[in-house]
This record gives sequence, structure tokens and C-alpha cells, in this order.
Amino acid sequence: SYELTQPPSVSVSPGQTARITCSGDALPKQYAYWYQQKPGQAPVLVIYKDSERPSGIPERFSGSSSGTTVTLTISGVQAEDEADYYCQSADSSGTYRVVFGGGTKLTVL
Amino acid sequence: QVTLKESGPVLVKPTETLTLTCTVSGFSLSNARMGVSWIRQPPGKALEWLAHIFSNDEKSYSTSLKSRLTISKDTSKSQVVLTMTNMDPVDTATYYCARIRGGYVDYYYYYGMDVWGQGTTVTVSS
Repeated sequence: SYELTQPPSVSVSPGQTARITCSGDALPKQYAYWYQQKPGQAPVLVIYKDSERPSGIPERFSGSSSGTTVTLTISGVQAEDEADYYCQSADSSGTYRVVFGGGTKLTVL
Repeated sequence: QVTLKESGPVLVKPTETLTLTCTVSGFSLSNARMGVSWIRQPPGKALEWLAHIFSNDEKSYSTSLKSRLTISKDTSKSQVVLTMTNMDPVDTATYYCARIRGGYVDYYYYYGMDVWGQGTTVTVSS
């Protein structure tokens, strides 16, 4: 079955740039989405279609894509950005089953 | 304002069938290329997609759970129902519904959730 691979954890100091990668064979054909989830809360969409930012999401959140890897970049990380981040896409087998990455815990030191 | 709200039992017994309802507002289940996904999250674990249904009744299920899941919608009631049979303690999780948009644009397929419900916690125990 199709998988998306993320690093389990990323740590950065406040004000630095955090980059979270997500790899998957279908990503050259499927857009990726990124969700932020804080403890006890529902996930929130922070990036859609690889690099688009929903209204209300701070400009420090950006997304990019290159081949089989997509990247979520958080510039000028703030303490409030500490959360779990999940990438998501779909397989390209024709059934378009949704797939989530395993999640990355972002720690702000 | 788009909102989704999950409802269903808090506790189910092993082998029972779980029925969850997602009631949506702010959009119609007949809107083109829109639908509802169900996603769950066991305590301390990652998100797991379960199923989705689109306005044209296109459905898709998780490969590993397909035999146990059924998704349906009642457009007039703005509700999407997910049933999961033969519940087991490992199915204990928070269950979310979310609006999904999907389609094909600029040579790419897109399937993603833009608005999520608050989630409902289901415990499977005798």
C-alpha cells in the first residue's frame, strides 16, 4: 500500500527555520496537504495543494515540492508552532485513497 | 461558516457495530467535488484515514478496513454516516469527520481535507 514518510521529530530554536519533509512515490502526480495538530485539538489545514496557504494561516508557513518530496517550512518559528504536523496525499491507483504520513513532532527549544 | 460535527456512542462493546454520524453545515453534500472523509486517531498515535464519500456518491475505503466499513450520505439531512462492524479494543480512538475536496487540475490530482470536526472519542470495552 502507498505510504508517506516523515521524520518523527524536528527541533528548532525560536526564530529559526523549521523544515519538515514528506516523501512518497505518488507525489509527482498528487498534490500534498499539511495539517497542524496541537494536543487535544483537531487537525488544522496549514498548506494545501503543495504550497497554497489557507486564509488565516500565518505567512511564516510555506510549502514546496520537488519530485517525490514535499516540504513544509516554518520561518521564524514561534513557541506556539510546537505541534504535530502531518502530510497527506492520495494514491494514484485510481481509487484515490487518502494517505497520511506518520506525523512529525515539532519541538521549539 | 463551514462546520462539521460528529456524533455517536462514547462506548461500544467488542464485536458490536459502531455507527457515527457527521452533520455538516455551511455547504451542501451535493456540491461538486466536495464530500466528507472519516479519519481516526488512537490515543498517542497518528491520523488514519478511513473512508470518504463525494457528492456524486463516489466512495473510497481504507484497504485494511474495507471489509468492516460502510459510508453513506443523506443529502437532505446534510449527514454522512459511517458504520464499522466487529469493533475491537484496538479501534479505541478519536474519530473525526472532515470536508474533502477532490479532483484534477493542472495535471495533478488533489484530495485533501480543509475543515475538520472537533472529533468524538469512542472507547471499545466490555
